[in-house]
Amino acid sequence: DADVTQTPRNRITKTGKRIMLECSQTKGHDRMYWYRQDPGLGLRLIYYSFDVKDINKGEISDGYSVSRQAQAKFSLSLESAIPNQTALYFCATSDTRGTGVEQYFGPGTRLTVT
Amino acid sequence: AQSVSQHNHHVILSEAASLELGCNYSYGGTVNLFWYVQYPGQHLQLLLKYFSGDPLVKGIKGFEAEFIKSKFSFNLRKPSVQWSDTAEYFCAVKNQAGTALIFGKGTTLSVSS
Repeated sequence: DADVTQTPRNRITKTGKRIMLECSQTKGHDRMYWYRQDPGLGLRLIYYSFDVKDINKGEISDGYSVSRQAQAKFSLSLESAIPNQTALYFCATSDTRGTGVEQYFGPGTRLTVT
Repeated sequence: AQSVSQHNHHVILSEAASLELGCNYSYGGTVNLFWYVQYPGQHLQLLLKYFSGDPLVKGIKGFEAEFIKSKFSFNLRKPSVQWSDTAEYFCAVKNQAGTALIFGKGTTLSVSS
C-alpha cells in the first residue's frame, strides 16, 4: 500500500552496527506497529504505538528500540545488530476511528546482518 | 496465551482445484479474525475479515472464510484457484487486549498452471 512507506527497502549491515529503519504513513492513522517476519515463524510484533506519547513493547522487543517522531512517523532501531536479526521487517498502521486493529502494511525492509 | 494455528505449512495445487486453508485460534471470547495474503516480493494485503454477523465472509479475488465458533476455526476457501493465487496466506486474530493482531505462521500456496 503506497500510503505506508518504509526506508530503506534493503539493507546489509555488519554485526555491532547501529541501524535505523523508518516508516512513514499518509493514511492519518494513529496506531503504528513494527513486525518482523521470519520463514516458518510468521509475523511477530516488536513494538507498537497508539500515539506519539504511547510506546509499547511487543512479543520480541529485546535488542530493538523505537521512536514515534510524529503521528505519521515511526522508526525502529537496532542498537547493535546481530545476525539473528536478519529478517524482513514490516511497518503497519491502524485507525482507532475505524476497527482499531485492521492493519495496513508497508512494503517491508529486508535486513541482512553479516 | 492466545495463539493462532495454521495447520498447513505448504499446499500445492493445480489450477482449478479447490482450496481450503485451516486456521484455529485459542481465544474463546469475542473475536475479530482476518486473513492476509502476501504475494511474492510484496507486502501483506487484507483478503477478508470477520467481526460479527454472518459467519460466512466473502473477500476479494473470490476468497471466502467461514467462522465456526464451536470449533474456534476460521478456514479460508476458494472454489477454483488460479496460478496468480500463488502466495503466502496468514490468519490473524485480534488479541484480548485489543491492541494488536496475533498472526499464524503462514501457509505457502503454490499453484501450478
